[in-house]
Amino acid sequence: QSVLTQPPSVSGAPGQRVTISCTGNSSNIGTTYEIHWHQQLPGTAPKLLIYGYKNRPSGVPDRFSGSKSGTSASLAISPLQAEDEAVYYCQSYDDSAGVVFGGGTKLTVL
Amino acid sequence: QVQLVQSGAEVKKPGASVKISCKASGYTFTRYGIYWVRQAPGQSLEWMGWISAGPGNIKYSQKFQGRVTITRDTSANIAYMELSSLRSEDRAMYYCGRGVQGYAIDYWGQGTLVTVSS
Repeated sequence: QSVLTQPPSVSGAPGQRVTISCTGNSSNIGTTYEIHWHQQLPGTAPKLLIYGYKNRPSGVPDRFSGSKSGTSASLAISPLQAEDEAVYYCQSYDDSAGVVFGGGTKLTVL
Repeated sequence: QVQLVQSGAEVKKPGASVKISCKASGYTFTRYGIYWVRQAPGQSLEWMGWISAGPGNIKYSQKFQGRVTITRDTSANIAYMELSSLRSEDRAMYYCGRGVQGYAIDYWGQGTLVTVSS
């Protein structure tokens, strides 16, 4: 049972917009702890996609964006491309558990 | 460019220990911490612990406290993670990652597969 809750799967057609939610509580996302997003393509290591809930590392397309509100955060991808098919994980810090990850959301591009 | 290169796959018997290395290059090793994260087959990511930048303070996840030891060799730019008393549930891919501000991990190693089998 992950401390951060994500939907197991989302899907969308190329060109569409999809969002992935990440829900925490007052001891992690709801505090001053930052939220980050990682992308894991099949058979590869994770890759940092968004840090500090909305910032993109160099090389990450601006199709990826992040937001945060209260004890939740979201990752949006628009327009969706075939190569975005992957598993996406949110990550933060928790007062009790330390570094925490969401359960992961598998994005399927139809 | 920043690279984290991990040691190769391991096969261990139940009750044994495994020690994985993570060699860093392309940056000043002691200016960044190193995180250790594992991923069981088909499962999410699970933080195990970290060694901080600078003095190398160590923090372990409560789940692994007492079974995991994280160290580093600053002369060789290598971090290590040793997990003891292995059981079948420890079969997983183990990753190291470079820690940056806000507990983010900005670069990941390629992963080391650990199999526990009698």
